[in-house]
Amino acid sequence: EVQLVQSGAEVKKPGESLTISCAASGYNFAKYWIGWVRQLPGKGPEWMGIIFPGDSDTGYSPSFKGQVTISADKSISTTYLQWGTLTASDTATYYCARPSDEDAFDLWGQGTLVTVSS
Amino acid sequence: EIVLTQTPLFSPVTLGRPASISCRSNQSLVHSDGNTYLSWLHQRPGQPPRLLIYNISKRFSGVPDRFSGSGAGTHFTLKISRVEGEDVGIYYCTQATLFPFTFGPGTKVHIK
Repeated sequence: EVQLVQSGAEVKKPGESLTISCAASGYNFAKYWIGWVRQLPGKGPEWMGIIFPGDSDTGYSPSFKGQVTISADKSISTTYLQWGTLTASDTATYYCARPSDEDAFDLWGQGTLVTVSS
Repeated sequence: EIVLTQTPLFSPVTLGRPASISCRSNQSLVHSDGNTYLSWLHQRPGQPPRLLIYNISKRFSGVPDRFSGSGAGTHFTLKISRVEGEDVGIYYCTQATLFPFTFGPGTKVHIK
């Protein structure tokens, strides 16, 4: 089955670091871009950035550049979203999503809820 | 950055009646390869977005034919021919023509 499975919910304190993951299965991981999306509570989704696991080519939306790091490990078909220093404003649900051959994001992870609170 | 606007933001609908959502872009979404990477997604509470329509008007696999997309350039429309109860939720247009990709603000569809 073609799917993206994300890591579980996280509760962190401000100032802590965090890495969440998105594990792909059922398709050639190296050949499809994967994007990350943030959805603040009660708000619409926002594209954060995208990575091509084949060569780790990565692009970030201006709002997120320098704030997070997107990476991938081809050996285990997994992409990562990493924060060095969390703040309360990072509290959100994060989704990974993969576009189809026609560049439509048809495959989504189930989402990872990140809560940052002191 | 491409900005997408949607109207209406809230849409009370009647079961069995049609509904329509507009999405406008502040610049053309026609890619240099000739395609227009404008999609429509549907999201229910607590769930990830689900692809309905891509490349303006192509229905994704398994999407009921009561959903249709149209438009060109900077103006696009999602239509539901006869609203059913499962259609409630928030509808987003999104573009993948130009990076950074962007979403519209969403249209919340609810039953009157």
